Amino acid sequence: GAGVSQSPSNKVTEKGKDVELRCDPISGHTALYWYRQSLGQGLEFLIYFQGNSAPDKSGLPSDRFSAERTGGSVSTLTIQRTQQEDSAVYLCASSLDMRGEKLFFGSGTQLSVL
Amino acid sequence: GQNIDQPTEMTATEGAIVQINCTYQTSGFNGLFWYQQHAGEAPTFLSYNVLDGLEEKGRFSSFLSRSKGYSYLLLKELQMKDSASYLCAVPLSGNTPLVFGKGTRLSVIA
Repeated sequence: GAGVSQSPSNKVTEKGKDVELRCDPISGHTALYWYRQSLGQGLEFLIYFQGNSAPDKSGLPSDRFSAERTGGSVSTLTIQRTQQEDSAVYLCASSLDMRGEKLFFGSGTQLSVL
Repeated sequence: GQNIDQPTEMTATEGAIVQINCTYQTSGFNGLFWYQQHAGEAPTFLSYNVLDGLEEKGRFSSFLSRSKGYSYLLLKELQMKDSASYLCAVPLSGNTPLVFGKGTRLSVIA
């Protein structure tokens, strides 16, 4: 696609529910990243994929968070049993590869957990 | 990113010049990035420095000193639309994902 696409753009959910966030990277980009940004805060790194592989999952805040990427393209970030502290903007980015390539960001998913 | 420091807020006047500093610590160096983020929007790429010195791109320039772990973003002829957060980012080591500073919120006033 022309840019990184994320869906939904907004998600309101109740505490305890599961949510799934989707990211469609730029075609041909092998690296994909998930970040989260709380109101007025910096970007917190969550996880990245090189192809379909996620070499480092240590950035995920808890075991309620998981992510997968299939076909070297679309990625989904799943949050189980959501908590209020999960409320944030979840940003996805992609790059050609990881060697000094700039990141292209999607518009993000605003998650609100009530 | 506790390994990246930049000022939280800055204010400057329209038409003026402003310098936003960033200091960082990494075990291996693979470049430093600056991103701009307007309120409610995604970050967009501004510059990338991998060698020491000044890189100029229109009204924006970015400087890097690897020996000092220091960079700055220089914005000239400030416009109101430059009001945004400016994020400094580095990979912590080698080919790892970018770690971002907390950002500097710049307000341009008339």
